[in-house]
Formats: sequence, structure tokens, C-alpha cells
Amino acid sequence: DAGITQSPRYKITETGRQVTLMCHQTWSHSYMFWYRQDLGHGLRLIYYSAAADITDKGEVPDGYVVSRSKTENFPLTLESATRSQTSVYFCASSESEVAYEQYFGPGTRLTVT
Amino acid sequence: GQNIDQPTEMTATEGAIVQINCTYQTSGFNGLFWYQQHAGEAPTFLSYNVLDGLEEKGRFSSFLSRSKGYSYLLLKELQMKDSASYLCAVTDSNYQLIWGAGTKLIIKP
Repeated sequence: DAGITQSPRYKITETGRQVTLMCHQTWSHSYMFWYRQDLGHGLRLIYYSAAADITDKGEVPDGYVVSRSKTENFPLTLESATRSQTSVYFCASSESEVAYEQYFGPGTRLTVT
Repeated sequence: GQNIDQPTEMTATEGAIVQINCTYQTSGFNGLFWYQQHAGEAPTFLSYNVLDGLEEKGRFSSFLSRSKGYSYLLLKELQMKDSASYLCAVTDSNYQLIWGAGTKLIIKP
């Protein structure tokens, strides 16, 4: 089915471990985004990508790494997980960065112990 | 700094009308979005305003005043399924989306 998917949906990991969150979209949208959502905060942009092999930092990029070798995939890696990275992570895509709605994946709930 | 303010929580009665306000202070303005987010789910798009005025879409309407840095989302004929958080987001001069913390709307029968 067309859409945007994320995996895993739930993940528990230990401090210091590397974790990769996957995001896949089937619309061939140019733009993809990674957000984290914490209680009391709005969605905060971690990284975004305008096209394959083009990525840029958002508001809170420290401790995260992204890549985009194919248009449809945009994985997010936590190189050495910390408790402060416990959050819900949303991937989103859009046709354009401006004036277009973003379509969100179902989210990954990550707990770092 | 950039800031978007929304009430944290609102309560309304089924069948009534509710207005959710959003004020913003951003470096530039290139549009304002409203999203709906049910608990445990992803945000979904509701509306987009870039010019002043009212945009109506069924039971939902969104208003924008750029000179006042102000928007509201109006929900009519409230239904229990409208219980959700409503997120206001502004595109700034760098075409980055700045998100408010959201307004949790509770609908009572």
C-alpha cells in the first residue's frame, strides 16, 4: 500500500548503544523530515532532506545521523543513545518544503534506559 | 527567538463551537498550518493559510491575521471524535516549520 511507514514502532535500548530508526515512503516525495515529539514541546525538527544525497540539520541535530541514498528511504541513527533521546520520533514527507502539507508516519516510541 | 503560543488544554461540549487560538513571533512568515493529532497517532493536515482571512473546510475553519501574528482554528458542531490535540505551525523566512506545543481539546457529552 502507498504511504509512509516507520520501523520499529517501539524500541527499548540501553544508554550508549547505536539505534537506527527506519522510514520508507512510496509517494516519491522529494522532501523527508525527522522530528521528535516530547511532552510540553512542539514537534522539533532533527534533520531533513530535499532529495537523495541532500540532507540538512534541523533544530536539534546533535547525537543523530541521517542518510538518504534512495528517495524512498530516510533512516535516522542515534550513534550512542542517551536517556535524553527517549522520545517519540516521527518521519514525514512532502512534495515541497514550502506550502505543502507533510504526511507523517505512525511514529517510533523509543525508550533509552 | 521564534515562538508559537497556543493554550495547553481546552474543554468543549459535543455539538458546540470552539475556537483554538495561535499567536506567533517568527523571523518572517511563509504560511501557517493546522494539524490534528489524536492520542498515540501521527499528526494529520487540517488547513493552510498564507493570506489574511478565513478558510472554510466543512466543519473546520482557519483564520489568519499576519499583521497581528494571529490565527485561530474554529471547529463547529463538535463531535466526540474531535477530541485530539491541535497543532499550529508556521513556516519562517528560511522555510522551516516552527511548531507550537499543541492544544489538547477535550469534548464532553
